[in-house]
Amino acid sequence: AQKITQTQPGMFVQEKEAVTLDCTYDTSDQSYGLFWYKQPSSGEMIFLIYQGSYDEQNATEGRYSLNFQKARKSANLVISASQLGDSAMYFCAMRDNQGAQKLVFGQGTRLTINP
Amino acid sequence: NAGVTQTPKFQVLKTGQSMTLQCAQDMNHEYMSWYRQDPGMGLRLIHYSVGAGITDQGEVPNGYNVSRSTTEDFPLRLLSAAPSQTSVYFCASSRSLQGINYGYTFGSGTRLTVV
Repeated sequence: AQKITQTQPGMFVQEKEAVTLDCTYDTSDQSYGLFWYKQPSSGEMIFLIYQGSYDEQNATEGRYSLNFQKARKSANLVISASQLGDSAMYFCAMRDNQGAQKLVFGQGTRLTINP
Repeated sequence: NAGVTQTPKFQVLKTGQSMTLQCAQDMNHEYMSWYRQDPGMGLRLIHYSVGAGITDQGEVPNGYNVSRSTTEDFPLRLLSAAPSQTSVYFCASSRSLQGINYGYTFGSGTRLTVV
């Protein structure tokens, strides 16, 4: 069975600093995908970034990058130059890319950006 | 560009009542799923469907029923509401994939309270 672990319930960061949100995963699948979602206080789920298990390069999307270390089974999200609008819940999720393709979420990290 | 539409946005039920949460998507996505979000527990998969006529259970299926008669619609039925089903419910859809990130589109959520 797949499992996602986010060990940081909350983080506080000064504006303009970089922040790393931790995510480790467990799976026996060879083909899988890793996602990060942002959930602001309004409640919607916003897709940030995706990394496939066979992708050789770390994914990047603007200020977001995913530090993918396959041997350590970690997929940390890095946000560069944090902004006040980055304050939100962040969820790491994993999907098996074959079979049922279910998306499994971690417990989330609440990020607060201080001015 | 409606995406994934969930109705209602808010609902209060009495214990023992039944109701159906509606989910519709207009993107011709094969994959649809229902999640519940409880404080501190992230999103947990209730039921999912890989296409019309095909459904399967997720992590927390008890007390819920689904069907998928069309590609567009994936309703979630609460058979006899219990206070433990108080939660925020999200519907999500995705194209069927072969190791490619088509991502998931989430609805805006339904906040359900059972008294």
